[in-house]
Amino acid sequence: EAAVTQSPRNKVTVTGGNVTLSCRQTNSHNYMYWYRQDTGHGLRLIHYSYGAGNLQIGDVPDGYKATRTTQEDFFLLLELASPSQTSLYFCASSEGGANQDTQYFGPGTRLLVL
Amino acid sequence: QQQVRQSPQSLTVWEGGTTVLTCSYEDSTFNYFPWYQQFPGEGPALLISILSVSDKKEDGRFTTFFNKREKKLSLHIIDSQPGDSATYFCAASQGGRALIFGTGTTVSVSP
Repeated sequence: EAAVTQSPRNKVTVTGGNVTLSCRQTNSHNYMYWYRQDTGHGLRLIHYSYGAGNLQIGDVPDGYKATRTTQEDFFLLLELASPSQTSLYFCASSEGGANQDTQYFGPGTRLLVL
Repeated sequence: QQQVRQSPQSLTVWEGGTTVLTCSYEDSTFNYFPWYQQFPGEGPALLISILSVSDKKEDGRFTTFFNKREKKLSLHIIDSQPGDSATYFCAASQGGRALIFGTGTTVSVSP
């Protein structure tokens, strides 16, 4: 079974702060994704990647950067955090990019921006 | 604009009853419709999925129905158990496009 881990699990920062969320998957999946989950909006795709060094823009990318350093590691960067970015963030991975490929999610990172 | 709409937002059912969740979508090119189940404190996990060439798929107590003409899908959980208490997301996609998720339905099953 796919294993996706995220760190930290909880994070508090102030407006204008710099935050990095980390994700690692250990099943050699090619695709990795960052989502945010908010009540009334469900899961919304921020960025995704199909391999080391690749980055694709998702549906809600404003205010976020991402970097895929290796096949295993995908980072989400908030360089000037704002209260609107308070959310529950999930990382996911899938073997391929076909729409029928199962996405495996990590346990989430809860971010509070004061 | 929400391309995949899900209802209700939450519901409570008695143990042993049938839970029915519904979703509707806009894009007629969508051809893959998974349902993800999320327990508190965890990430979502794939529960069941259906392709647009089918109108029904069953997996144990879980059945998903697809109506292409009406652009609707539903998830039925029969003999609902307290362990089924979770948030359920429908999603849709087509080709190489990423999944688009609905807003989620939180289900509580009361003993």
